[in-house]
Amino acid sequence: KAGVTQTPRYLIKTRGQQVTLSCSPISGHRSVSWYQQTPGQGLQFLFEYFSETQRNKGNFPGRFSGRQFSNSRSEMNVSTLELGDSALYLCASSSTGGELETQYFGPGTRLLVL
Amino acid sequence: GEDVEQSLFLSVREGDSSVINCTYTDSSSTYLYWYKQEPGAGLQLLTYIFSNMDMKQDQRLTVLLNKKDKHLSLRIADTQTGDSAIYFCAESKGKLIFGQGTELSVKP
Repeated sequence: KAGVTQTPRYLIKTRGQQVTLSCSPISGHRSVSWYQQTPGQGLQFLFEYFSETQRNKGNFPGRFSGRQFSNSRSEMNVSTLELGDSALYLCASSSTGGELETQYFGPGTRLLVL
Repeated sequence: GEDVEQSLFLSVREGDSSVINCTYTDSSSTYLYWYKQEPGAGLQLLTYIFSNMDMKQDQRLTVLLNKKDKHLSLRIADTQTGDSAIYFCAESKGKLIFGQGTELSVKP
């Protein structure tokens, strides 16, 4: 099976712009979670989608949003970018997202905000 | 609480064993995980342990879990230079709660 794929791998934006990142889960997986990784805050949970519904949300401002399509692919959007949004954004997929399931991560999208 | 803590750095010689430690606060966590991150890459699942187990061995990797002390460790036997990476422990509560990561440096 192909792994989790994320596009684009690298992105440079300027403050105030918006950005959309894409994640394709492992075939058959219906749960997609997003994490932000920064040197200062480490790995932090953004949100989780299952069957096109947001099921869990971390402690991030409303500028961070996401969605999931019927084929389980997911996108996350960040509006009005700030310098502090520079990070590695990782998505992970699992079959149903249950606590007993292992999450498999993609390679990440590295976002630089100038 | 949701704090998972790890020491930040570990340096070992090639061929030695490495032991990476982690403490967590939520005793209700069902699964505990170890992930590896190489420079510029995503997270690679190394191994996991169910909370009703004390130990799990997987080739060169041994995971020890002390539920009483909420302490988790990862032992890498015969550490190689290719093991140099950042290692994250994580507890699962629907979402993953990660430690800060331990940077393992393996010197030849």
